[in-house]
Amino acid sequence: AQSVTQLDSHVSVSEGTPVLLRCNYSSSYSPSLFWYVQHPNKGLQLLLKYTSAATLVKGINGFEAEFKKSETSFHLTKPSAHMSDAAEYFCAVYQSGGYQKVTFGIGTKLQVIP
Amino acid sequence: ETGVTQSPTHLIKTRGQQVTLRCSSQSGHNTVSWYQQALGQGPQFIFQYYREEENGRGNFPPRFSGLQFPNYSSELNVNALELDDSALYLCASSPPGGEQFFGPGTRLTVL
Repeated sequence: AQSVTQLDSHVSVSEGTPVLLRCNYSSSYSPSLFWYVQHPNKGLQLLLKYTSAATLVKGINGFEAEFKKSETSFHLTKPSAHMSDAAEYFCAVYQSGGYQKVTFGIGTKLQVIP
Repeated sequence: ETGVTQSPTHLIKTRGQQVTLRCSSQSGHNTVSWYQQALGQGPQFIFQYYREEENGRGNFPPRFSGLQFPNYSSELNVNALELDDSALYLCASSPPGGEQFFGPGTRLTVL
């Protein structure tokens, strides 16, 4: 079974400073990994995805993530936080095969301090 | 192109009642998945429908059931509601083997 672990439930950064949200995965084969963002009382929006192409993946709103097989990690970064980045972020792995199921981490709540 | 839509937005029910949630998939998508997101948790997979048949199910009891219609829209039905069923219910549609696009969710409160 595939799974993801988000290492921090809360992250607090100052506006203009870098963001790092950590995610480790467990998979018996090459996974498809995703990051989603959820603003309060909203659904999930896809930030970026890794599907075995380039290991450095660029997403929307200046976010990017690097797939590191040796570390089984897929951490999300952004060089400079903006107030509008305050939200909950979910790392997810897609299971393919008979049916496609998405397994989510528990989420990391990002707080941006002015 | 219309995205994934869900109705209603909010719903309040009492224990023991039954509820039906609805989802319209994105154009060209024939697969619909449902997720339950309890407060402070990540979404949990309930089940998936492909061409009107359930083709995958998570760890949810049989009182959680669903339907998919010929136009690929879907319903989630929950019988004998319990307090713990209070959650945000998310629907996602996808093309065959493709990524899932999520709707805004239905927030269900069970009193």
